[in-house]
Amino acid sequence: DAGVTQSPTHLIKTRGQQVTLRCSPKSGHDTVSWYQQALGQGPQFIFQYYEEEERQRGNFPDRFSGHQFPNYSSELNVNALLLGDSALYLCASSPGWTGVGETQYFGPGTRLLVL
Amino acid sequence: AQKITQTQPGMFVQEKEAVTLDCTYDTSDPSYGLFWYKQPSSGEMIFLIYQGSYDQQNATEGRYSLNFQKARKSANLVISASQLGDSAMYFCAMRETARSNTNAGKSTFGDGTTLTVKP
Repeated sequence: DAGVTQSPTHLIKTRGQQVTLRCSPKSGHDTVSWYQQALGQGPQFIFQYYEEEERQRGNFPDRFSGHQFPNYSSELNVNALLLGDSALYLCASSPGWTGVGETQYFGPGTRLLVL
Repeated sequence: AQKITQTQPGMFVQEKEAVTLDCTYDTSDPSYGLFWYKQPSSGEMIFLIYQGSYDQQNATEGRYSLNFQKARKSANLVISASQLGDSAMYFCAMRETARSNTNAGKSTFGDGTTLTVKP
């Protein structure tokens, strides 16, 4: 049973560029959440997708956008990259979007470096 | 708004001893879940243990137990018989879940505690 997978594992971009990160959820999971984790800090919630719609969003600008596909996989897009976007981007999946007890399982993350 | 506070940036424990990692939270939602995750230097977040706000018993998973004190809004993680492989960053997280809550489903993490197990 495959867990959450993310690609790519590492990425280097320059300021102003755009980036797309990808996530495949754990088998049987239909909800995907994205987090940004800066060095030395806890993950910050970006947004959550369920039934191909954005259901919740954290305090991130519109430069951060996403998509969920019919097979539940998801993409995170970041436009006009800033140096401050350098971080570990984590994807998490769960079998429901608000239920108590639905644990999120995380992927290995994508390390993004913006130069 | 929900908030998680982990007041111990770093902790040391001797191998085979028990250690408690502190977590306090703030929420006005009566329905929520509390989670602990382990993050080794590789970066992947590993789920350890879950406690629901309505659970009467403290959660346990192997060597991990959660000391849930609802009135104090505290959810401390206890690791018994520490092992060298337990050295990692540990995060406490919360998710509000009442369907009437417009923030339901968002997860909030603390800033973590770095645990070092000494041989």
